[in-house]
Amino acid sequence: GDSVTQMEGPVTLSEEAFLTINCTYTATGYPSLFWYVQYPGEGLQLLLKATKADDKGSNKGFEATYRKETTSFHLEKGSVQVSDSAVYFCALLKGNAGAQKLVFGQGTRLTINP
Amino acid sequence: GAGVSQTPSNKVTEKGKYVELRCDPISGHTALYWYRQSLGQGPEFLIYFQGTGAADDSGLPNDRFFAVRPEGSVSTLKIQRTERGDSAVYLCASSALGGAGEAFFGQGTRLTVV
Repeated sequence: GDSVTQMEGPVTLSEEAFLTINCTYTATGYPSLFWYVQYPGEGLQLLLKATKADDKGSNKGFEATYRKETTSFHLEKGSVQVSDSAVYFCALLKGNAGAQKLVFGQGTRLTINP
Repeated sequence: GAGVSQTPSNKVTEKGKYVELRCDPISGHTALYWYRQSLGQGPEFLIYFQGTGAADDSGLPNDRFFAVRPEGSVSTLKIQRTERGDSAVYLCASSALGGAGEAFFGQGTRLTVV
C-alpha cells in the first residue's frame, strides 16, 4: 500500500545551519505530496505542497521538490532559526477525488540551538 | 471559531469505559477527518465525513470505534470498552470540499486508558 518513510530523528542543529529532512514515498501513480509541521503546543499545519512531478513547494524559507525518479520529497532550508524547532511530517494524498486522505510518515523532531 | 477545536484536550479513563471525543471544525468546511497518532508515529487515518455521512471509515480499527456528524458540523468520535492500546492522541481535521491535502488540524485529544 501507499506509504511514506522519513529520515529518523531527532535532528539537532545550530542556528543558521543548512537543513535537510529526507522523505521517500511508495505509491500507485503520482500523488500530491505535503510537508506538515507541528510546533510545540500547536496543531499540525500545512507547510508546503507539490502536486506533480518536478513541482517545487516553498514556504517560510523551506523548499521541497517532487522527484518522481527517486520517489522523494526532501525538505530543505538554507539557514534555520530557533523558531523552526518543531516536528515535521511528510505526507501523501491517497484515494480518488471525493474520498481522499493523508498518509503520513512517522515525523522528524527538529531542535535548533542558538 | 477561528480554527478546529477539540475537546477535551486530555482524557484519562479506565479500561472498559466508554469515551466521547468532540470536534468543532472550521465553519463552512464540509469535509471532516479523524486521525490517531500514537507516540513517536505519524497520524493514521480513521474516518472521513463529507457533510453528515461517513464517506470512508476504512481506518476505524474495530467495531468499538464509531463516529457521527449528525448536522454536518460538529463530530463526535465514540470508543466503547476502551483498551490500553487505544491510548493515543486523536486528531480532528477539516477542509473545504476537495481540499483533503490542505486540512486544518485541531490540537488533538490525548486519551490515556489506565
